[in-house]
Amino acid sequence: QSALTQPPSASGSPGQSVTISCTGTSSDVGAYNFVSWYQQHPGKAPKLMIYEVSKWPSGVPDRFSGSKSGNTASLTVSGLQAEDEADYYCSSFAGNNIWVFGGGTKLTVL
Amino acid sequence: QVQLQESGPGLVKPSETLSLTCTVSGDSITTYYWHWIRQPPGKGLEWVGFIYHTGNANYNVSLKSRVTMSVDTSKNQFSLKLNSVTAADTAVYYCARYVAGASPHAFDMWGRGTMVTVSS
Repeated sequence: QSALTQPPSASGSPGQSVTISCTGTSSDVGAYNFVSWYQQHPGKAPKLMIYEVSKWPSGVPDRFSGSKSGNTASLTVSGLQAEDEADYYCSSFAGNNIWVFGGGTKLTVL
Repeated sequence: QVQLQESGPGLVKPSETLSLTCTVSGDSITTYYWHWIRQPPGKGLEWVGFIYHTGNANYNVSLKSRVTMSVDTSKNQFSLKLNSVTAADTAVYYCARYVAGASPHAFDMWGRGTMVTVSS
């Protein structure tokens, strides 16, 4: 039951696109399409941004998109805006009623 | 409007038991899976465990020997107990709802979190 691997930081200028990766194993990310992404601003609770690899909850702009290939999931933020600056976490169901999170990525809008 | 609210002591002494309760309003606790997730200061999210209204539960293997979760359907609450705490258990503790068996298969609702400090 190891944490998923995310880069500690990512950055981009306003209007650009940035992609954050989330690497797991064949027991979690690779096994299930139950990968989700969360945005967390300082001092706030995480907010669901993407579920089931690539779907949007109501109210989340389609500038956020998700994908998966093998054991690695990715979150892409297009048309970066200042308010996108936050920490982002991936999560995956890992079978046997176990869930796992990534270590988090700090996204900076330059 | 579904809301989750954590409650419990903000300070716990080393070797004692951390006890938190999550009160769910606007939804029945007999639906969905209910989780605890924690975040040490300046660090990432860590899944602690979950409980279902039947009492079925599972915990992070790294905490399994010290964690117990329970549910009170009459009060629409679920609880976390973590014993033999150390400074490493200092964290913001969140309760969250997970929708399983149907979309979104994700943690779609979160409490605001409660900071618990382990210190003498």
